[in-house]
Amino acid sequence: RKEVEQDPGPFNVPEGATVAFNCTYSNSASQSFFWYRQDCRKEPKLLMSVYSSGNEDGRFTAQLNRASQYISLLIRDSKLSDSATYLCVVMGYNFNKFYFGSGTKLNVKP
Amino acid sequence: DTEVTQTPKHLVMGMTNKKSLKCEQHMGHRAMYWYKQKAKKPPELMFVYSYEKLSINESVPSRFSPECPNSSLLNLHLHALQPEDSALYLCASSQDRETSSTDTQYFGPGTRLTVL
Repeated sequence: RKEVEQDPGPFNVPEGATVAFNCTYSNSASQSFFWYRQDCRKEPKLLMSVYSSGNEDGRFTAQLNRASQYISLLIRDSKLSDSATYLCVVMGYNFNKFYFGSGTKLNVKP
Repeated sequence: DTEVTQTPKHLVMGMTNKKSLKCEQHMGHRAMYWYKQKAKKPPELMFVYSYEKLSINESVPSRFSPECPNSSLLNLHLHALQPEDSALYLCASSQDRETSSTDTQYFGPGTRLTVL
């Protein structure tokens, strides 16, 4: 079983739509959780860390459910510029080891 | 400043060449990483250095040789590579889990490597 699992998509949505991605992780001892955004042929960039209490940054909301071992990312009012691959990343209990989901591709259409 | 720099941006090499990739960060991070990324796949961990010591080697072939000369620099020496080693090589850094319970990785722009 993979450490982190994501729906690869693609998710094709119109501008202005709300879209949600989920990610599950297998190790209950995992410590920290993140969403990264990666544009084509670029490096992953940190979108937001995910906290147990949930956190919001503008149009983006991240949630962590430790009991069910999943993480979610909600994007409201999608923009064309949101088109990218979104990577779910989990920092394991193992020292300095980060586990990546396969990424979810989002295409926002005009 | 959350910048990690990598050189070169692009590299084309033959299977008999020896080359090196370089990575630098000035954020005071004590953990540094090499990842390999193929198209449409997530980054795949290769090596982790913590406090300038190699702490994780994900069974990477010996034709890849990492080096951490100091806390700001990380090199990846390449020798006798194969065409299937062509990929985007990403460097990342983080504070280090021993000093931060919520560690975050920051990535450099990568070196796009083509092996002929």
